[in-house]
Amino acid sequence: KAGVTQTPRYLIKTRGQQVTLSCSPISGHRSVSWYQQTPGQGLQFLFEYFSETQRNKGNFPGRFSGRQFSNSRSEMNVSTLELGDSALYLCASSLGLANSGANVLTFGAGSRLTVL
Amino acid sequence: KQEVTQIPAALSVPEGENLVLNCSFTDSAIYNLQWFRQDPGKGLTSLLLIQSSQREQTSGRLNASLDKSSGRSTLYIAASQPGDSATYLCAGSANFGNEKLTFGTGTRLTIIP
Repeated sequence: KAGVTQTPRYLIKTRGQQVTLSCSPISGHRSVSWYQQTPGQGLQFLFEYFSETQRNKGNFPGRFSGRQFSNSRSEMNVSTLELGDSALYLCASSLGLANSGANVLTFGAGSRLTVL
Repeated sequence: KQEVTQIPAALSVPEGENLVLNCSFTDSAIYNLQWFRQDPGKGLTSLLLIQSSQREQTSGRLNASLDKSSGRSTLYIAASQPGDSATYLCAGSANFGNEKLTFGTGTRLTIIP
């Protein structure tokens, strides 16, 4: 079956602009999580959506937001881009079963954002 | 705040050797522990998931163990192959559902043919 698909794979923006990234989960998966990966901070959790609702949230400023649609596809948006937002943004999907330690995350290939 | 550390940051070993990667976490209140590999320019691939009630998991040449009392997990790779070259990341889950993971700093493994 198809894996997790992220678009676009690469993009370049300038400071002050905004960006929207898209993530299509594995069919049947209802949870989508987003992570930011940078050389300095490593992988950090942004937020998780389940059934169109944000269920978990990391420690990122309000410039980072997301949403999930009824087909479980998710988008994340970063407004007023800063140089430090340059990173690989990864999304992961899972069944999202409540209180199940067996949930395994499947990651997409990522969207590499460069802010100039 | 949970912190996850992986030492060493980089490791090179000859093909065929057995090796161990280490992962340490500061808060023993993690629920589950996962090991991932990441190839250059790619996303993460889940290798092993050790659930809260388990002590270890095995998959092929890989074996991962979890000791919450000491705050440590290890990933054992037997009979290493060049295809094992990648960055290996451990991650502890802050919630029972595993969606909110705290990742380690990673170990970049190179297997020398």
